[in-house]
Amino acid sequence: SQTIHQWPATLVQPVGSPLSLECTVEGTSNPNLYWYRQAAGRGLQLLFYSVGIGQISSEVPQNLSASRPQDRQFILSSKKLLLSDSGFYLCAWSDNNYGYTFGSGTRLTVV
Amino acid sequence: QKEVEQNSGPLSVPEGAIASLNCTYSDRGSQSFFWYRQYSGKSPELIMFIYSNGDKEDGRFTAQLNKASQYVSLLIRDSQPSDSATYLCAVISSGSARQLTFGSGTQLTVLP
Repeated sequence: SQTIHQWPATLVQPVGSPLSLECTVEGTSNPNLYWYRQAAGRGLQLLFYSVGIGQISSEVPQNLSASRPQDRQFILSSKKLLLSDSGFYLCAWSDNNYGYTFGSGTRLTVV
Repeated sequence: QKEVEQNSGPLSVPEGAIASLNCTYSDRGSQSFFWYRQYSGKSPELIMFIYSNGDKEDGRFTAQLNKASQYVSLLIRDSQPSDSATYLCAVISSGSARQLTFGSGTQLTVLP
């Protein structure tokens, strides 16, 4: 069966520090991968999606970036965090048949 | 801008009642519709999907789709306190490379 792993679960970072969140999927090949952010009390905002290795599409201009170095690995990064980057970051995968399956999420607080 | 609209709630129902959650979408070409449940502090989990007009039932949950009215709903029968969560409506719009657009969610509280 397919599983999705996302870490860390919780992160507190100072303003201006770098960020790296990692997501891996097991049990499937060539999945579509997505990064979403959910601000407190708000809906889910799509940040990036990828349909294959090295293929990244950005939905929202910001100081975040994403990379897909391997088929089942998706990384969200920032060189310098802003206070407004705080939120709940969710990785998800899809095999084009059904809806998305989400990872457990990373709660990021920028202080 | 392709949008998905939901009443934010909160919606409160007594235990055992039917909870009705509603969602409208702007893109008439949308093909696939999903309901997710999100407990506080947790990630969303898929509970229902529907592709065709009409009703789809799964246990206590029924999804209803009306493409002409651009309306999708979720009914929860015999509501339980464990159903208390935020329910997110999501739509795959036409030409979107299977990107899900989410509504902002409806917070449901089932009162014992």
